Amino acid sequence: GNSVTQMEGPVTLSEEAFLTINCTYTATGYPSLFWYVQYPGEGLQLLLKATKADDKGSNKGFEATYRKETTSFHLEKGSVQVSDSAVYFCALARLDSWGKLQFGAGTQVVVTP
Amino acid sequence: NAGVMQNPRHLVRRRGQEARLRCSPMKGHSHVYWYRQLPEEGLKFMVYLQKENIIDESGMPKERFSAEFPKEGPSILRIQQVVRGDSAAYFCASSPREYEQYFGPGTRLTVT
Repeated sequence: GNSVTQMEGPVTLSEEAFLTINCTYTATGYPSLFWYVQYPGEGLQLLLKATKADDKGSNKGFEATYRKETTSFHLEKGSVQVSDSAVYFCALARLDSWGKLQFGAGTQVVVTP
Repeated sequence: NAGVMQNPRHLVRRRGQEARLRCSPMKGHSHVYWYRQLPEEGLKFMVYLQKENIIDESGMPKERFSAEFPKEGPSILRIQQVVRGDSAAYFCASSPREYEQYFGPGTRLTVT
């Protein structure tokens, strides 16, 4: 079956540090891949997405590249801010069931001043 | 354009009562999805609906849970005879087309 695996948190960083959150997936075919962010007490917001191999999604300084050969979609940001403190979820959707997002367990990121 | 609306934001029910969670999709969105987030876990897909149709309910528990998205009005997730294990955050999302799901703020259900 399909699955998404993320690195466990919490990840604690100082402001301006480099952030990487690993995400690997298992799926048949060629799923679309997403990163969502959840701020405390709020719903999820789509951060970025990629729909085919080698696509790079980017938004608000975050980037992730769809790597088919390693079945990965790692999230990176070069210089984090305190406001980036949140829980980040990696997710996939298969073409034949695109309404059904499958999420990883989430990674909490804490950025300290 | 208002975002996805969910109400109530917090709901407390005693064991055995019914819980009704409402979701109003964004304007122009005809696809609605429900997810459940248990404490310390990621979101789990429950059901995908379009107007008056259930498209995929593979994530819905077989008993006590039902969902609808009528022609008029919000989508409703109904949980009958709630148990403590139903305590969770329930998120609704909507989309105008594939892949672009926009999430509401969630309803946090507590069963006492």
